[in-house]
Amino acid sequence: DIQMTQSPSTLSASVGDRVTITCRASQSIDTWLAWYQQKPGKAPKLLIYKTSNLQGGVPSRFSGRGSGTEFTLTISSLQPDDFATYYCQHYNSYPWTFGQGTKVEIK
Amino acid sequence: EVQLVQSGAEVKKSGESLQISCKGSGYNFTTYWIGWVRQMPGKGLEWMGIIYRADSDARYSPSFQGQVTISVDTSISTAYLHWSSLKASDTAMYYCARCYTYLDAFDIWGQGTTVIVSS
Repeated sequence: DIQMTQSPSTLSASVGDRVTITCRASQSIDTWLAWYQQKPGKAPKLLIYKTSNLQGGVPSRFSGRGSGTEFTLTISSLQPDDFATYYCQHYNSYPWTFGQGTKVEIK
Repeated sequence: EVQLVQSGAEVKKSGESLQISCKGSGYNFTTYWIGWVRQMPGKGLEWMGIIYRADSDARYSPSFQGQVTISVDTSISTAYLHWSSLKASDTAMYYCARCYTYLDAFDIWGQGTTVIVSS
């Protein structure tokens, strides 16, 4: 199985900060990577697919990049609605796997 | 509106069987894959498996192979997740989600079904 490792596990930031979350795959996944946002008690929401494509309705402050084994999710200016947990997920081959999550907290 | 609506919360005992459901609406159910994701209390997301059509084999994570069965009834636009013998460790929230191809992210998620298994 391909292992996905996110860093950091927790991130404390303020409104307006630029925030970057890293996701590393244990082997190359090309660009078959998605990012999801999950708020407490809610289902995950797709933010970005195929590494850098913004899902419809997602604010442009979210962006993704990378290829192979290293990927990043960046929030250019953190907003109050962005405090949540973020997961990366590869879909290069079965089984698909998720990273362990990064919780973005208010500083 | 495109949506996946899951069945309600379940409270069961160890050893009992259970099937939860996920009904799609607002789109052509037969052209999408449906996957299942587990989230244990306070933990992250775990990909369990995925199915395309009723005549296709489901693909499972090794962690869940033999533990659950994924099926689909396209005539009623519904996918299922089945346990033949529950364990206390199956206590979790279960989400269904759809994707367009096997090389696609989950773009629509169900609201989740809570399963509580007492020993």
